[in-house]
Amino acid sequence: DIQMTQSPSSLSASVGDRVTITCRASQSITKYLNWYQQKPGKAPEFLIYGASNLQSGVPSRFSGSGSGTEFTLTINNLHPEDFATYYCQHCYRSPWTFGQGTRVE
Amino acid sequence: QVQLQESGPGLVKSSGTLSLTCAVSGGAINSDNWWSWVRQSPGKGLEWIGEVFHFGNTNYNPSLKSRVSISVDGSKNQFSLHLTSVTAADSALYYCARSLALAAPGTYGVRAFDSWGQGTLVTVSS
Repeated sequence: DIQMTQSPSSLSASVGDRVTITCRASQSITKYLNWYQQKPGKAPEFLIYGASNLQSGVPSRFSGSGSGTEFTLTINNLHPEDFATYYCQHCYRSPWTFGQGTRVE
Repeated sequence: QVQLQESGPGLVKSSGTLSLTCAVSGGAINSDNWWSWVRQSPGKGLEWIGEVFHFGNTNYNPSLKSRVSISVDGSKNQFSLHLTSVTAADSALYYCARSLALAAPGTYGVRAFDSWGQGTLVTVSS
């Protein structure tokens, strides 16, 4: 299985900050990488696919980059509703696996 | 917009079988999408269990393959999960989700979980 490792596990930020979360794959997954946001008591919500493509309706302050084994999710100008946990997930080959999550608080 | 809703017992006895159903509304289950089960527990985070296509083709996580079965019922627009020989380690919040195929530059197409149910908590009791 391809292992996904996120860093940091949690971070403290303030409204207006720029936040960067890193996701590393245990082997190259080229651009087969998705990002999700999860708020307490809610299901994950789909943000980014193919490493850098925003899902429809996702604010442009969210962006993704990277390829191969290292990927980044960036949130510019952090809004109050962005405080949540973020997960990466590869879709290179089954089994699909997720990172352990990064909590933005 | 497609919506998914999980249903099933919230309490399952150890060594028994966990059975859940996901009702799909706002879209046909016999579309060109895979339909997945994902679970979330404090100890293991998000774990993909397996998926089914509307023809009945399945794909399972090897870590659970010997115990899991996922099926689809096109007439009821729903799909189901059966997990046998459960233990406390199977206690989790279980989600059903649609796996949507998307065109993405630099790939041959990706799949992402674009729609999720609200989740249903299953506790395995001894």
